Amino acid sequence: AQTVTQSQPEMSVQEAETVTLSCTYDTSENNYYLFWYKQPPSRQMILVIRQEAYKQQNATENRFSVNFQKAAKSFSLKISDSQLGDTAMYFCAFMKHGAGNMLTFGGGTRLMVKP
Amino acid sequence: DADVTQTPRNRITKTGKRIMLECSQTKGHDRMYWYRQDPGLGLRLIYYSFDVKDINKGEISDGYSVSRQAQAKFSLSLESAIPNQTALYFCATSDGPLQGTQYFGPGTRLTVL
Repeated sequence: AQTVTQSQPEMSVQEAETVTLSCTYDTSENNYYLFWYKQPPSRQMILVIRQEAYKQQNATENRFSVNFQKAAKSFSLKISDSQLGDTAMYFCAFMKHGAGNMLTFGGGTRLMVKP
Repeated sequence: DADVTQTPRNRITKTGKRIMLECSQTKGHDRMYWYRQDPGLGLRLIYYSFDVKDINKGEISDGYSVSRQAQAKFSLSLESAIPNQTALYFCATSDGPLQGTQYFGPGTRLTVL
């Protein structure tokens, strides 16, 4: 079974600064996907970014980028130029390829962006 | 209009009551999922369905049942609610194995007294 660990329950950052959220996972699989989801106070789960394990290039979506270290089983999220709207819970998730798209989630990191 | 909808959005019920949470989607996806969210534990899979005739238990299915009435509808039932089923419940859909991305509904906050 896969496990996903987010070791930072809470973090804060000043507006316009950069913050990195950590995620590690444990798996014996070679083909898989990794995701970061954002959950603002509205409760909606919003996909932030996705990474295929076979791709060496780190995924980027505007101000959001990841540092994917496959050998170390690490998948951190970097948020640049933090905005007040980035305040949310962030969940890292793992999906084994061909496993019916079932996600295994970490416990989440609560990020507060301060003005 | 939202692609994945859940009703009700909030519900308070009493121990022993039967309750149904409903999920509908307009994305045309075959795969649907029910998750439960508890503080510090992230989301955990309760049940999932690949089509109307294919329903499978997830990690924490005890105390829950589901019904896939149509491709677009997937309901979660608590036959006899208990307080430790108080949680936030999410429905999600997926566009298949090659894409892998799941799309979530807005969640239902359930409180069992």
